Amino acid sequence: DVKVTQSSRYLVKRTGEKVFLECVQDMDHENMFWYRQDPGLGLRLIYFSYDVKMKEKGDIPEGYSVSREKKERFSLILESASTNQTSMYLCASSIWATSTDTQYFGPGTRLTVL
Amino acid sequence: QKEVEQDPGPLSVPEGAIVSLNCTYSNSAFQYFMWYRQYSRKGPELLMYTYSSGNKEDGRFTAQVDKSSKYISLFIRDSQPSDSATYLCASGGTGRRALTFGSGTRLQVQP
Repeated sequence: DVKVTQSSRYLVKRTGEKVFLECVQDMDHENMFWYRQDPGLGLRLIYFSYDVKMKEKGDIPEGYSVSREKKERFSLILESASTNQTSMYLCASSIWATSTDTQYFGPGTRLTVL
Repeated sequence: QKEVEQDPGPLSVPEGAIVSLNCTYSNSAFQYFMWYRQYSRKGPELLMYTYSSGNKEDGRFTAQVDKSSKYISLFIRDSQPSDSATYLCASGGTGRRALTFGSGTRLQVQP
């Protein structure tokens, strides 16, 4: 069965803290994604990675960075968290590095920045 | 203008009703169209996948794509309270690495 896991379901951080969100998939998928989901704005793509050490900016990369050192793991980093980064963060993966492929999502991390 | 537009709702219907959820898109390069369902406090999961124009049926669910008008629809027959969720449409195309999602429509089916 397809499995995408995220390191935390809920996270509370303070402004200025460095925040790491981790995502692991056990399906040997090439493509991995980080989205944030906000009411009325839907899913917005932050970054994606189509191979180890490869990354591409999505629609809203500002304030975020990513790391993919191993195929199964994709990390989202908030270098200095701000209150406007309070959101639901969703990780996803797909078999191939193409938009025609089904994406499998993790359960999400609800991040609150105080 | 967003590439995929979707009415956020919420949409509230009685049990047994036929539900129609709709999206429009602007990019002619989109060829693949998907519907994801997201239950509260969960990640989205793929519900329907269609290629190009036409209809696809799976049980009580029918996905319809009209490329001439750039219109995507999801119909739910005999809706059930368990169908209460947010439904997201998504589109993709050859040469694009990532899907483009609509903002999602929240559906509530009242028992």
